[in-house]
Amino acid sequence: RKEVEQDPGPFNVPEGATVAFNCTYSNSASQSFFWYRQDCRKEPKLLMSVYSSGNEDGRFTAQLNRASQYISLLIRDSKLSDSATYLCVVNINNQGGKLIFGQGTELSVKP
Amino acid sequence: NAGVTQTPKFRILKIGQSMTLQCAQDMNHNYMYWYRQDPGMGLKLIYYSVGAGITDKGEVPNGYNVSRSTTEDFPLRLELAAPSQTSVYFCASSYSNGQETQYFGPGTRLLVL
Repeated sequence: RKEVEQDPGPFNVPEGATVAFNCTYSNSASQSFFWYRQDCRKEPKLLMSVYSSGNEDGRFTAQLNRASQYISLLIRDSKLSDSATYLCVVNINNQGGKLIFGQGTELSVKP
Repeated sequence: NAGVTQTPKFRILKIGQSMTLQCAQDMNHNYMYWYRQDPGMGLKLIYYSVGAGITDKGEVPNGYNVSRSTTEDFPLRLELAAPSQTSVYFCASSYSNGQETQYFGPGTRLLVL
């Protein structure tokens, strides 16, 4: 079983749609959780951290369920500029800050 | 601040050649990392460093070496290039141990033929 597993993509949605990405992680010792965004042929950039209570940043909402070892990202009112690959990332604090990346879920927002 | 810089941007190597991928950061970060990303895959950690003079293996260290003589620089060395090392290499840095954001460089695309 992969340490971090994401929905296989790609997701093709029209502008204005709401889209949700799911992610599961296998190590119950995982402490920190993130969503990174990666544009085609570019470096990953932090989209948002994921907190236990859930958190929102504009059109983006992240949720964490520690009992189920599950993380989600919800994007409302999709824009063309949201087209990218979204990476679910987990940090296990007893491993010196090493991040474990999911394989990514590609999102394509169409006009 | 330039952030994290990497050179070269692209390189073609022949099997058996060696090269060094350069990485530098000007944010005074303690932690630095090297990842590789194969097509359609997530990033895999090659090596990391928690400070000058300290390095440790990640998930896929075979075929690579690193050094960290200064806080700013973290070069990655390929001694005998193999086709399996064809990938995109990303360097990253963070202030501390993962609670902080990791900042990535623009990547080096390496093709081994």
